[in-house]
Amino acid sequence: AQTVTQSQPEMSVQEAETVTLSCTYDTSENNYYLFWYKQPPSRQMILVIRQEAYKQQNATENRFSVNFQKAAKSFSLKISDSQLGDTAMYFCAFMKHVGYGQNFVFGPGTRLSVLP
Amino acid sequence: DVKVTQSSRYLVKRTGEKVFLECVQDMDHENMFWYRQDPGLGLRLIYFSYDVKMKEKGDIPEGYSVSREKKERFSLILESASTNQTSMYLCASSFPLAGGPYNEQFFGPGTRLTVL
Repeated sequence: AQTVTQSQPEMSVQEAETVTLSCTYDTSENNYYLFWYKQPPSRQMILVIRQEAYKQQNATENRFSVNFQKAAKSFSLKISDSQLGDTAMYFCAFMKHVGYGQNFVFGPGTRLSVLP
Repeated sequence: DVKVTQSSRYLVKRTGEKVFLECVQDMDHENMFWYRQDPGLGLRLIYFSYDVKMKEKGDIPEGYSVSREKKERFSLILESASTNQTSMYLCASSFPLAGGPYNEQFFGPGTRLTVL
């Protein structure tokens, strides 16, 4: 079974600084997807960034980028120029296709606070 | 934009009551999911469905059942609510195309259920 670990339950960063959230996972699969989701306080969970395991190039979405190390099974999220609106719970997720469906596994989350 | 809606944001029920949580998505997604979210545990899968009338147990199905009579609607049923089912319940949907660019999950706003 797949597992996802986020070793930092809480983090804080000053506005405009850079922060990195860590995620490791355990799988024997070769083809899979990794995601970072953001859940702002009392608001809906939304996708931040996705990475296909077969792609070596790290995904980037504006201020958000990942460091995907397939051999090490590591998938960290870097937020540059942090903004107050980045304050949220961040979940790392693993997904593989299974038969007709998909198997998603989520980490326990990291609560990020961006300080003014 | 994909929209996933849930019937209630907040719900208070008494022990032993039958509880229905409803989820509707408007993007013709095949896959739908029910999770519960608890602090420090992340998201845990209760049930998922990959087609109308099809369902698969997730990691924690005990005490829950589901119904999917129409493609856009996925209901979670607590047959006899108990206090340990007090939690945040999240519904999600996804398009399961392997290798496709849009295979992430889209989440509803969540229902915070309190069982007294």
